[in-house]
Amino acid sequence: AQSVTQPDIHITVSEGASLELRCNYSYGATPYLFWYVQSPGQGLQLLLKYFSGDTLVQGIKGFEAEFKRSQSSFNLRKPSVHWSDAAEYFCAVGAAGATNKLIFGTGTLLAVQP
Amino acid sequence: SAVISQKPSRDICQRGTSLTIQCQVDSQVTMMFWYRQQPGQSLTLIATANQGSEATYESGFVIDKFPISRPNLTFSTLTVSNMSPEDSSIYLCSVAGLAGGGSYEQYFGPGTRLTVT
Repeated sequence: AQSVTQPDIHITVSEGASLELRCNYSYGATPYLFWYVQSPGQGLQLLLKYFSGDTLVQGIKGFEAEFKRSQSSFNLRKPSVHWSDAAEYFCAVGAAGATNKLIFGTGTLLAVQP
Repeated sequence: SAVISQKPSRDICQRGTSLTIQCQVDSQVTMMFWYRQQPGQSLTLIATANQGSEATYESGFVIDKFPISRPNLTFSTLTVSNMSPEDSSIYLCSVAGLAGGGSYEQYFGPGTRLTVT
């Protein structure tokens, strides 16, 4: 069965520091992978996606993620964090086929210190 | 991406009552989904809303509790029936298959925050 693991429940970084949020997935075939961000009281915004091709994908707000098949990982990175990046981040894996379902990880709550 | 709206944005309801949540998209989409996000939890898919036919429910969710309608390609409703405090959650709709976009990425509405007392 498909699953997504985000090992870090809560992360605190200083403004201007680099960020890496971890995501590991379990899927029998090549997955479709996504990162979403949820600000307090808001819905989810799609940051970036990976379907195929170049394993380093660029997203909005300066985020990028790298797909590593050998490690079953899709970690999210940002070189310099801004205070406005404080939010909850969800990794998701897509089920190819007619259903197009998404399986979400448990999320990582990011706090940014001034 | 599309503009997705949900009504109501939040509500406080008494146990035993029902609430219908609306999801409206400003363009036609192939697929619409309903998710539940319990307090402090991740998202769980309730069902896929199928246009013109019965919704496809995930394990643990049933039509009697969460009836869903999708009369056209831009609108869907989710009803939470006979509510109990355990139904207190954020309910989110999402869409996929936008014109000019991929069929696998989903875009989410702002959510409906439901509290059952």
